[in-house]
Amino acid sequence: AQSVTQLGSHVSVSEGALVLLRCNYSSSVPPYLFWYVQYPNQGLQLLLKYTTGATLVKGINGFEAEFKKSETSFHLTKPSAHMSDAAEYFCAVSASKIIFGSGTRLSIRP
Amino acid sequence: DAGVTQSPTHLIKTRGQQVTLRCSPKSGHDTVSWYQQALGQGPQFIFQYYEEEERQRGNFPDRFSGHQFPNYSSELNVNALLLGDSALYLCASSSDRDRGSSSRAGELFFGEGSRLTVL
Repeated sequence: AQSVTQLGSHVSVSEGALVLLRCNYSSSVPPYLFWYVQYPNQGLQLLLKYTTGATLVKGINGFEAEFKKSETSFHLTKPSAHMSDAAEYFCAVSASKIIFGSGTRLSIRP
Repeated sequence: DAGVTQSPTHLIKTRGQQVTLRCSPKSGHDTVSWYQQALGQGPQFIFQYYEEEERQRGNFPDRFSGHQFPNYSSELNVNALLLGDSALYLCASSSDRDRGSSSRAGELFFGEGSRLTVL
């Protein structure tokens, strides 16, 4: 069975600081992994995805994530936070269906 | 190119009533998945439709049912509404071609959701 654990329901960083959102997964098959972002009162938008190949994946808005099989992790990072990054972020793992984590709310301090 | 569209955007029902939510997938997509997102939670998988058949189902009671039409659009029906059914219902579309030989679900494209309030 597949599952996703997001560590930290709320992360707060200063504008310009590093953003690190943590995600660990469990999968019985080589996983496809995703990060989605949700702004208030909107649906989910894909930030980036890992299927096969290069383990460092670059996405939109300057975000990237690294697939580490040995650690079963897929953490999301951004070198410098911007006020517009404030949103809810969801990590997801794919098998026959996509399973989402419980989400991490990112707040940006001026 | 229209993305995923859902209707209605908001609705209020009372306990015991029935509701139908509608979804039109992104152009070129043939698979529709429905998710329930309670306040402060991640989306929970309800079911997925492909070729007008329910291909997979999550851990939801039979009160939740769906349909997919020949044009790939879909409906989610919930009968005998409970207070706990209050949530944002998200429709997501994808292409079965993205599954490839791995049979793993590919990228989902989401609509903006239908927010259901049950009083």
